[in-house]
Amino acid sequence: NAGVMQNPRHLVRRRGQEARLRCSPMKGHSHVYWYRQLPEEGLKFMVYLQKENIIDESGMPKERFSAEFPKEGPSILRIQQVVRGDSAAYFCASSTGTGLTEQYFGPGTRLTVT
Amino acid sequence: DAKTTQPPSMDCAEGRAANLPCNHSTISGNEYVYWYRQIHSQGPQYIIHGLKNNETNEMASLIITEDRKSSTLILPHATLRDTAVYYCIVRVQNSGGSNYKLTFGKGTLLTVNP
Repeated sequence: NAGVMQNPRHLVRRRGQEARLRCSPMKGHSHVYWYRQLPEEGLKFMVYLQKENIIDESGMPKERFSAEFPKEGPSILRIQQVVRGDSAAYFCASSTGTGLTEQYFGPGTRLTVT
Repeated sequence: DAKTTQPPSMDCAEGRAANLPCNHSTISGNEYVYWYRQIHSQGPQYIIHGLKNNETNEMASLIITEDRKSSTLILPHATLRDTAVYYCIVRVQNSGGSNYKLTFGKGTLLTVNP
């Protein structure tokens, strides 16, 4: 059973460009979470999605960031007009349910903004 | 969620037991103790969790003090591949709340030496 998959693993964008990060959850998992890890810091929750629904986006910056988890296909974290401060590792996790259900993490996407 | 305190770093000799402490003195009765680890450049990996009783699985043992104010994660025979940052996280058992948010602190960098 394949684990959580994220692509690309590394992404370089110039300031002002858009970044699209993809996450395919584990088979049978319908709950997806995105976390961001800034250099030398712990992971911080960004958003929680179920199929076609955003459940909690309290950790997302109010501007430029959006997330979706369509009925078909991977979850997408989209960052518009990237700035240097967006450089970080972005991790996706998935679970079979909510609450204390175990979250399984992907390998992350490392975004570098030049 | 209760705040946790961990030492920033620890060393351990290969083949010996690694004992990683975590202080969670403000933990409440319905909060679980979870441990994750993050090997360099990878996504976090779930290790073990517990409420009151000691727990053991194929990866580690978790010892929780009787007053639940602290716990110790034990890797019985550490290997070089166990070098990682270990995170102690407290999560509330509340189906109506946002306990799906994992709150990662700075963790403990465990270095296993040959």
